[in-house]
Amino acid sequence: DAEITQSPRHKITETGRQVTLACHQTWNHNNMFWYRQDLGHGLRLIHYSYGVQDTNKGEVSDGYSVSRSNTEDLPLTLESAASSQTSVYFCASSEGGMVADTGELFFGEGSRLTVL
Amino acid sequence: KQEVTQIPAALSVPEGENLVLNCSFTDSAIYNLQWFRQDPGKGLTSLLLIQSSQREQTSGRLNASLDKSSGRSTLYIAASQPGDSATYLCAVRDTGRRALTFGSGTRLQVQP
Repeated sequence: DAEITQSPRHKITETGRQVTLACHQTWNHNNMFWYRQDLGHGLRLIHYSYGVQDTNKGEVSDGYSVSRSNTEDLPLTLESAASSQTSVYFCASSEGGMVADTGELFFGEGSRLTVL
Repeated sequence: KQEVTQIPAALSVPEGENLVLNCSFTDSAIYNLQWFRQDPGKGLTSLLLIQSSQREQTSGRLNASLDKSSGRSTLYIAASQPGDSATYLCAVRDTGRRALTFGSGTRLQVQP
């Protein structure tokens, strides 16, 4: 079965370190997204990509970057981790472009990041 | 900017009750609306997807309705079971965008 996997599922790091969270999907979806989930804020969009070599900033992109070198992967990098980036991070994907795209979004299991 | 609100934030009901979860959104120019379920420590599972041209979708004991003009959607759960206990999130995709805007969710507990 096609799926979307995130790694690591849990990570503890120190302030100032660089951290990369991996996301891999096997649906061959064009669209991939990174969200963070925090109490009191719900899910907020960090970055998204509509295809290879395409990346866009979401509403809370400061301190994060992504790259899309192939269809399957969208790694999320925290350049210099801060305590405010302690959160649960979710990767998601959906198929297609703007036409004939149901828009149904599929999520990974999440990566819990703690920055000390 | 689209804003999505879910009421109530938490709900506790006895097993067997029918219940309604509410979702409202501020901009009616949406492409679709999706309901998700999230169990503690888990990812989000898609329950129902309603396109902007549709009025409702059904899956088993779940029925979701959409009234785009009033900016509202409801998720109806019939004959609730303890296994329905979870957080339910509503999300809208605006026309011209592919990302979703999420509500904060309703935490449902069904008492046996």
